[in-house]
Amino acid sequence: SAVISQKPSRDICQRGTSLTIQCQVDSQVTMMFWYRQQPGQSLTLIATANQGSEATYESGFVIDKFPISRPNLTFSTLTVSNMSPEDSSIYLCSARAGGGQPQHFGDGTRLSIL
Amino acid sequence: SQKIEQNSEALNIQEGKTATLTCNYTNYSPAYLQWYRQDPGRGPVFLLLIRENEKEKRKERLKVTFDTTLKQSLFHITASQPADSATYLCALDIRGNTPLVFGKGTRLSVIA
Repeated sequence: SAVISQKPSRDICQRGTSLTIQCQVDSQVTMMFWYRQQPGQSLTLIATANQGSEATYESGFVIDKFPISRPNLTFSTLTVSNMSPEDSSIYLCSARAGGGQPQHFGDGTRLSIL
Repeated sequence: SQKIEQNSEALNIQEGKTATLTCNYTNYSPAYLQWYRQDPGRGPVFLLLIRENEKEKRKERLKVTFDTTLKQSLFHITASQPADSATYLCALDIRGNTPLVFGKGTRLSVIA
């Protein structure tokens, strides 16, 4: 099964700044995703990271706020831009080889905005 | 509208008993259904996958059933142990290269 490494694992940021989260998968995967999860709450899908093209965003999430890159089949970044306290959350990277396959997750980036 | 529901937000059970978690969905036609475990501070970890034409799947102390008529999956942990305490998520795997649709999860506590 794929192993997903995310960094940073946590950060405390100032309001108005931006942070880029990196996600590295140890094998080539078809699909990569970014989720947000409040402590004790369910997963919320932010976007599907598409290799070589613009990400596909879910309702309520926009590219200007959460720009995503995916330059190859094993790496993706999520930037949280112009952060506010409402962006404090856990951000999770996930990857999947294809339909009928498990979806693997990193351990998340715990982000706190002051 | 499309919904996936895990009926209990939290479930407490005595050690040694069988824990049964429920996942119901409406207005989806999943090709597969998957179950995950999530521990505090960690990402979800895959446990089991069951196909739409399978009724039951087992792995060690875990058993999953899938009833596409009732649109329901049951997840059982037999001889439960305190180490089984975690949040369990069900997820629908719709045909094609789409992300899984996750339920909100059930937080299981196994009491010694």
